[in-house]
Amino acid sequence: QLQLQESGPGLVRPSETLSLTCSVSGRSISSSGNHWGWIRLAPGKGLEWVGSIDYSGTVRYSPSLKSRLTVSVDTSQNQISMILSPATATDTAVYYCVRHAQWLVKVDWWGRGTTVIVSS
Amino acid sequence: EIVLTQSPVSLPVTPGEPASITCRSSQSLLHRNGLNYVDWYLQKPGQSPQLLIYLGSNRASGVPDRFSGSGSGTDFTLKISRVEAEDVGVYYCMQGLQTSITFGAGTKVEIK
Repeated sequence: QLQLQESGPGLVRPSETLSLTCSVSGRSISSSGNHWGWIRLAPGKGLEWVGSIDYSGTVRYSPSLKSRLTVSVDTSQNQISMILSPATATDTAVYYCVRHAQWLVKVDWWGRGTTVIVSS
Repeated sequence: EIVLTQSPVSLPVTPGEPASITCRSSQSLLHRNGLNYVDWYLQKPGQSPQLLIYLGSNRASGVPDRFSGSGSGTDFTLKISRVEAEDVGVYYCMQGLQTSITFGAGTKVEIK
């Protein structure tokens, strides 16, 4: 059974760095056919794709976040990470770690989500 | 960037009755492989989103057969043949045809 567990600071100051980690259990993140990503849900808004990375290391970012975003994997820890810098108030959201069963579609596994508030 | 327009924004439903949600894309989502790169998701209150339909019309594992997806190109529909109380929540369409994923704004389904 695949499990995705997000972790990170609940509060980030504006202009500082928002850093999240997703610990994956039940599957190797580097095995072929596995693609990973982040999707967020801001208060009062709809779902928004943040970025995705596949098992070979190919990454794709939301155009609106690309200049501030880095998504990476740590195969030794079986983790996926995202860094958003500098953070702004509009980055306040619940962040979900996800698995795509097919590149950029079919998001078949979701973490429980972690809430991040960007505020001074 | 591909824009997805969902309608309606809000959908009051009666248990046992059918319901449908439409998703219109600003560009065709039909890949050259013949598949439509559109999925449907449901976020129930207090839960993470869940996959309902992938690649236009394929029901995800464990999804009841009262849910179905149809359409091709730019127009897609999610249908619930007989709504149950557990189907309340926000429904989203999502496209992944290009290198950037986008979601529709969501349709909130509530029981009348």
